[in-house]
Amino acid sequence: AQKVTQAQTEISVVEKEDVTLDCVYETRDTTYYLFWYKQPPSGELVFLIRRNSFDEQNEISGRYSWNFQKSTSSFNFTITASQVVDSAVYFCALTSAVGDKLIFGTGTRLQVFP
Amino acid sequence: DGGITQSPKYLFRKEGQNVTLSCEQNLNHDAMYWYRQDPGQGLRLIYYSQIVNDFQKGDIAEGYSVSREKKESFPLTVTSAQKNPTAFYLCASSIRVSAHLQQYFGPGTRLTVT
Repeated sequence: AQKVTQAQTEISVVEKEDVTLDCVYETRDTTYYLFWYKQPPSGELVFLIRRNSFDEQNEISGRYSWNFQKSTSSFNFTITASQVVDSAVYFCALTSAVGDKLIFGTGTRLQVFP
Repeated sequence: DGGITQSPKYLFRKEGQNVTLSCEQNLNHDAMYWYRQDPGQGLRLIYYSQIVNDFQKGDIAEGYSVSREKKESFPLTVTSAQKNPTAFYLCASSIRVSAHLQQYFGPGTRLTVT
């Protein structure tokens, strides 16, 4: 069975702090995909990144970076120099290569205070 | 602008009434999805459709029904059989049904049943 665990329910930081959101997954598939989505207060989910299981290179996009480690089944997300606009719920999700649905974690609510 | 629209943003109904949530997309996507989101939980898949006049049950289809008469539209009916219908409902679409593809989400409809 596939499962995604986001153990941090809520994180609060002050602006300009760095923050890491944890994501641990379980799957028996050798080929799978991991995602991060952002859900701002407006409600819609915004796609941030997709990573396949064969690409363990870390990725950086501006203030965002992702650390994929198959050895620990983790796909952690770091925001550097956080800003108030980063306040949102962040979801990690998993699917197999032939899957027809995403398995979501329970989300981490990030609050960035000025 | 291409995207997904859901209306209304907030919906209130009395217990025992059926209610239909609207979802329209102009992205020319074949696949459309309905998710339910409850506080502290990830998104759970209700129904999805990969083509007009075809749809499949997701993980929590009981008490819900859908139709897909047009490519652009995928309305969800919450029936009186749904035991706990109060939730936030999100519609999404992707180029085709394949969970490793990016899904695009609408702004959601918050349904309250009393």
